[in-house]
Amino acid sequence: GDSVTQMEGPVTLSEEAFLTINCTYTATGYPSLFWYVQYPGEGLQLLLKATKADDKGSNKGFEATYRKETTSFHLEKGSVQVSDSAVYFCALSKGAQKLVFGQGTRLTINP
Amino acid sequence: NAGVTQTPKFQVLKTGQSMTLQCAQDMNHEYMSWYRQDPGMGLRLIHYSVGAGITDQGEVPNGYNVSRSTTEDFPLRLLSAAPSQTSVYFCASKNRPDPDRDNEQFFGPGTRLTVL
Repeated sequence: GDSVTQMEGPVTLSEEAFLTINCTYTATGYPSLFWYVQYPGEGLQLLLKATKADDKGSNKGFEATYRKETTSFHLEKGSVQVSDSAVYFCALSKGAQKLVFGQGTRLTINP
Repeated sequence: NAGVTQTPKFQVLKTGQSMTLQCAQDMNHEYMSWYRQDPGMGLRLIHYSVGAGITDQGEVPNGYNVSRSTTEDFPLRLLSAAPSQTSVYFCASKNRPDPDRDNEQFFGPGTRLTVL
């Protein structure tokens, strides 16, 4: 079945560091790919998305490119802030109701 | 719009008790879902509904019931709570998927349930 694998956390960085959170997927067909973010005590919010190969999603300084050849959708940010501390989830969907989530990566940014 | 709302925010149950987690959305979305979030496992789909009167099972449906009598509401019922159902529960909704658009789901703030 379809699945999403994220790099294991937790990830701890200093402010202004470069961030990469790896995400790879297994799916038949052409899924849409998402990154969701969960801030402490809150529900999930969509961070960015890409619906076809080579699309780049971006929001709040975060970027991810849909790479079909490597089945990847890695999340990057050039300079992280303390306010980026959260849990990040990679997910896929194939036009149906269901989102398939990765296990989540907890990110902590120290000042 | 309030978006997706869930009640209660926190709940403690004893083993064997039953309860209903409430979920409502005011965006006129056809699709609604329930997920549970457990450490190291991401979110797993419990049940979902593609419209009023229609429900189906997700990945982990055992021990839970749902109904969808209106477009707005999608309650989740725990029939006889067990410690394994200790989790954070999220309700989500979205529009009918369009092949030319993405499938963004909108999530509620969650209900943290502890079963003793």
